[in-house]
Order: sequence, then structure tokens, then C-alpha cells
Amino acid sequence: AQKVTQAQTEISVVEKEDVTLDCVYETRDTTYYLFWYKQPPSGELVFLIRRNSFDEQNEISGRYSWNFQKSTSSFNFTITASQVVDSAVYFCALSEGQGGSYIPTFGRGTSLIVHP
Amino acid sequence: NAGVTQTPKFRILKIGQSMTLQCTQDMNHNYMYWYRQDPGMGLKLIYYSVGAGITDKGEVPNGYNVSRSTTEDFPLRLELAAPSQTSVYFCASSYSHPGNEQFFGPGTRLTVL
Repeated sequence: AQKVTQAQTEISVVEKEDVTLDCVYETRDTTYYLFWYKQPPSGELVFLIRRNSFDEQNEISGRYSWNFQKSTSSFNFTITASQVVDSAVYFCALSEGQGGSYIPTFGRGTSLIVHP
Repeated sequence: NAGVTQTPKFRILKIGQSMTLQCTQDMNHNYMYWYRQDPGMGLKLIYYSVGAGITDKGEVPNGYNVSRSTTEDFPLRLELAAPSQTSVYFCASSYSHPGNEQFFGPGTRLTVL
């Protein structure tokens, strides 16, 4: 069975600090997909990034970067020079590609609070 | 494209009442999902559908029913509402390949008193 753990329930930082949100996953499949979603205070979930199990390249998009490491089953998300607008709940999710139902499993989410 | 739309945005129900939460997507997605989100508990899957006429239970289906008569619509029915069903409900849709992201609706905040 697939499982996603986001051990950090809440993180509080001051603006301009760097912050890393952890995501650890479990799966028996060799083909799987990892996702990050953002849920701002307005409530709607927004897709941020997808990674497949065959692509361990790290990704950078502006102030956001993602570190995928199969050796530690982790897909961590770093925000550099955080801003108040980054305040949100962030969810990591996993879906299996073979033998699974394709239905994603979500972590419990990490609430990030960025203080001015 | 409107994406995924949900109605109503807010609703207060009395214990024992019934209601239907509406969800419509205009992206021709095969897969549709209903989640509930309780404070600090993340998203729990209630029901999902892999195509018109096909539905299946998720993690927390008790007290809910769904139908999928068209590709676009995936209503969620609450029968005999209970205070434990107070939550925010999200509908989502995606293409069938597991590598495709989900698109979420704006949510329905339901309170059962």
C-alpha cells in the first residue's frame, strides 16, 4: 500500500528565511508519481509540481525547488527567501503507476506561516 | 474553461436532513473524486469514479452516496446528515494516467447542527 508522511504539522518562519517542507513516501511500485499541491488561505488546492520515479533530477522554479531522492524515499520542497504570500498548507501526494489504482494518496499537509 | 465547479459554497444542515453537493468539470476528465477535509487532517477520499457509470468507495464512504451518469457531473449525496459530516468538501478531476495532476474545485463548507 502506498503511504505519504509529512511529519511537520506546522512551520513558522520570518519573511526572507529559507524553509524546507519534508515529504517521505512508501510504495512497492517501481513506477510512481509524486506531487506537491498548495492550499492558500482562500481554500482552493493548486498543483505545483509532478515528478515520476524515473526522473531524479531536482527542479527549480523561481524561489521554489524540489529535491527527489529515491534512496531515502523523499521528495522535499524548499522555498528560498520566503514571502508572506507563501503562507499556505502544502500537500505532498503519491500515485502508483503499476498494480495500483492510480488514485493518489495525500499526506496530512504542512501549514507554513510566514511572518512579515 | 471553468475547470471544476462546485455548488453550493456554503450550507448549514440540521441533523437528519439530506442534501446533494454538485460537482461539474468541463475538461473531459475520466477520473473524478470527492474528498473531505477536516482541520489538521488533510484530505480523505470519500468516493471516486473512473468514468461514467463507474464509482468506487474511498477511505471514508459511510453516510455518502455518489452517481456518475455523465463524464461531466459527479454529485455527492448526504443522507441523514450527522454532526460528524461537518467538513469542507472538495471535488477533483484528472485524466486517467497516474502521472496527471488533479484539478480541484473551490470546495463546499458544510456545517451540520
